[in-house]
Amino acid sequence: DGGITQSPKYLFRKEGQNVTLSCEQNLNHDAMYWYRQDPGQGLRLIYYSQIVNDFQKGDIAEGYSVSREKKESFPLTVTSAQKNPTAFYLCASNPPGETQYFGPGTRLLVL
Amino acid sequence: AQSVAQPEDQVNVAEGNPLTVKCTYSVSGNPYLFWYVQYPNRGLQFLLKYITGDNLVKGSYGFEAEFNKSQTSFHLKKPSALVSDSALYFCAVRKRPNFGNEKLTFGTGTRLTIIP
Repeated sequence: DGGITQSPKYLFRKEGQNVTLSCEQNLNHDAMYWYRQDPGQGLRLIYYSQIVNDFQKGDIAEGYSVSREKKESFPLTVTSAQKNPTAFYLCASNPPGETQYFGPGTRLLVL
Repeated sequence: AQSVAQPEDQVNVAEGNPLTVKCTYSVSGNPYLFWYVQYPNRGLQFLLKYITGDNLVKGSYGFEAEFNKSQTSFHLKKPSALVSDSALYFCAVRKRPNFGNEKLTFGTGTRLTIIP
């Protein structure tokens, strides 16, 4: 898991609630990514950011939002618009042109 | 568009036997190919990658993978399986570095079980 931390490890969301997942890296990587993992579906890209103050939607961005105010931080907010948020969320980062490395993940459960 | 296929959801191998986990890909231009492993409730760990050069790539924990351009495949192999190799394996592809567009596309994963 290297220098990428994700918190919390488990997160519970109530109906209609927004929740924020934290991702921090001390690797000085420019690019950061958020993926969602569901059983049998592999990893799907939610959002990614190549530089500070800039980010792009991935394949399944609806119901999610992100910010990139600092190079080391890329928090993901799961909004109430995301109707099926239960999943394992993975953050990753890489320097330009190099291998992506992953954090330990956050499991989001709905109460 | 780029895509990855892992045709086997589950692979079972007896301990000590060779193992193969299959991966085929589709991408325009030359690919970067990756294998990752995931243990339960953990993030993905990088195993190996193909960028250019020798078609046989060696990685962590005794794993290797062979790039076959004509068959667009990148199968993961190990000569002698260990029980500790039991995990979920993901193949991934992206185009050669195109800074500003380095998205990885993952396969759906193959669960490898090594039987003692």
